[in-house]
Amino acid sequence: EAGVAQSPRYKIIEKRQSVAFWCNPISGHATLYWYQQILGQGPKLLIQFQNNGVVDDSQLPKDRFSAERLKGVDSTLKIQPAKLEDSAVYLCASSLLGRQVTDTQYFGPGTRLTVL
Amino acid sequence: GNSVTQMEGPVTLSEEAFLTINCTYTATGYPSLFWYVQYPGEGLQLLLKATKADDKGSNKGFEATYRKETTSFHLEKGSVQVSDSAVYFCALSGLNYGGATNKLIFGTGTLLAVQP
Repeated sequence: EAGVAQSPRYKIIEKRQSVAFWCNPISGHATLYWYQQILGQGPKLLIQFQNNGVVDDSQLPKDRFSAERLKGVDSTLKIQPAKLEDSAVYLCASSLLGRQVTDTQYFGPGTRLTVL
Repeated sequence: GNSVTQMEGPVTLSEEAFLTINCTYTATGYPSLFWYVQYPGEGLQLLLKATKADDKGSNKGFEATYRKETTSFHLEKGSVQVSDSAVYFCALSGLNYGGATNKLIFGTGTLLAVQP
């Protein structure tokens, strides 16, 4: 079974530029998550999709971050414009059902973003 | 709100030593508890999980027991190997927003370094 795919793996941009990350979840998984992992910290949820609808985006900085999951499969996370403090690893995860505390989330390899 | 506290690292052990990484949590309701591992250069991998009180999760020689009375989920291994060197994250999943989201709340991670 293929895992969660993410691209690119690494990205370096200057502040005020824009950047986009792509994620393809495990086939058949209804729920997709984007987490931000700042160096030395645990991952923090940015947004959660159930199929193609948003169920939690309470910690997404909506003035600069946006995300979509068209057709309920793959997803794109965008940052525009980027700030220095956005330097982090952006992790995508998926789970079969979502909305259940027992559901296991499977993570992709992440995209390491460096903002100069 | 829900939170996870885990012991700070780094934890440095010799091969075949006994490992304990402490994890305590604060949560409402009945969360599930997880340990994820992040090997150098790789993404987060689920190590083990427990979904109700007194459950014991186990995998690859690692164990953790869900202790509701002490709100703890300590990770243990009887004999560590050099290949266990990684960052270990304790996490909980609880329902929020009327049951709409089951996001993971992570601790800050504990770096384990095993020396030959």
